[in-house]
Amino acid sequence: GQQLNQSPQSMFIQEGEDVSMNCTSSSIFNTWLWYKQDPGEGPVLLIALYKAGELTSNGRLTAQFGITRKDSFLNISASIPSDVGIYFCAGQKTGANSKLTFGKGITLSVRP
Amino acid sequence: DAGITQSPRHKVTETGTPVTLRCHQTENHRYMYWYRQDPGHGLRLIHYSYGVKDTDKGEVSDGYSVSRSKTEDFLLTLESATSSQTSVYFCAISESSGAGNTIYFGEGSWLTVV
Repeated sequence: GQQLNQSPQSMFIQEGEDVSMNCTSSSIFNTWLWYKQDPGEGPVLLIALYKAGELTSNGRLTAQFGITRKDSFLNISASIPSDVGIYFCAGQKTGANSKLTFGKGITLSVRP
Repeated sequence: DAGITQSPRHKVTETGTPVTLRCHQTENHRYMYWYRQDPGHGLRLIHYSYGVKDTDKGEVSDGYSVSRSKTEDFLLTLESATSSQTSVYFCAISESSGAGNTIYFGEGSWLTVV
């Protein structure tokens, strides 16, 4: 099935640094969702975006819904060790029955 | 927390045996989903439900069946478990708001088929 493009697979940053992650697609989506997954747990929703151009923050996290509706980015500012984990993007087309399309995730490591 | 509980959280079973995973939700959501997560494949949809007794296949439904006899419970059954079904299984629900739909996941069920 279709996948969203997230790269690189892994990112290594120093504590205190900002990091930005992109998610791109060849298709248009009407909803973009960003999740974080810790080892042994389920994905936890970080930010939901519903409108092209929308910029939404959740604490140190900021995400934007691309104006073309084919991409989204997530920015983490002033990273801390607990930001370590896998970050997934997901897109959904119109309709409550519309299924999610996922990226394969980016594994973030934060060096103290 | 969207009120999703998965059981069992961990299970080891033998090849050829049937296995049922249960997803229970407390908030009356209409849409429920079963995903599996595997290295290199990410999250893949197995089956989903859009109401009591209303279910449909996802992209990797072979070898799996589902049932939803009550709004709050969505069961995933592996009819005859195989080693390729060793995976982490996540239940999810869809919550609608005025802005749009949001998908929330349960904590996962780790299944090992030996």
